[in-house]
Amino acid sequence: DGGITQSPKYLFRKEGQNVTLSCEQNLNHDAMYWYRQDPGQGLRLIYYSQIVNDFQKGDIAEGYSVSREKKESFPLTVTSAQKNPTAFYLCASAPGQGFLVFEQYFGPGTRLTVT
Amino acid sequence: GQQVMQIPQYQHVQEGEDFTTYCNSSTTLSNIQWYKQRPGGHPVFLIQLVKSGEVKKQKRLTFQFGEAKKNSSLHITATQTTDVGTYFCAGLMGTGNQFYFGTGTSLTVIP
Repeated sequence: DGGITQSPKYLFRKEGQNVTLSCEQNLNHDAMYWYRQDPGQGLRLIYYSQIVNDFQKGDIAEGYSVSREKKESFPLTVTSAQKNPTAFYLCASAPGQGFLVFEQYFGPGTRLTVT
Repeated sequence: GQQVMQIPQYQHVQEGEDFTTYCNSSTTLSNIQWYKQRPGGHPVFLIQLVKSGEVKKQKRLTFQFGEAKKNSSLHITATQTTDVGTYFCAGLMGTGNQFYFGTGTSLTVIP
């Protein structure tokens, strides 16, 4: 059963704590992305990776960190430096790399609430 | 700031009426993708447009890419309740690999 999975679906944390969101795909896709979705603002790119051991910052990378040690996995850490971490986080993957651009497949998302 | 604008933000239609959402960029786009997100769900890819002036159809959905590759539209003919959701455009600029998503248009279909 191929796809992209995110866990957990809901996550609650206290302010000042780091938290890591999981994203796994078995689609053999090269590219992976992390987006943040807030009401009325669409999706904003946090980080993306086109190949293992390489990743680039998106528009809102401050307060976040990622790793890409395996092709299948692209975990996102929300650090205590992120000023407004409560949001819906979406992970996506896509085949191809470089100038070849294909559709993005999204995971079910993780809704993070920080109080 | 927001590089891809989408209007309207909300649209309520009676079932059977048509619906259109518009996407505009101040920068020329390499290509544009459209996604649909059902309430409580995640975005699902609908289509990708690459060529200037391109028009693609999927049953009741018609997608257009402007001649200048700075705007795009999605038109739904005779809406159904299954069309409910938020429609996003996502534009790719230049040779980069970052898609810029529009703010989305939330469609409500009244039976």
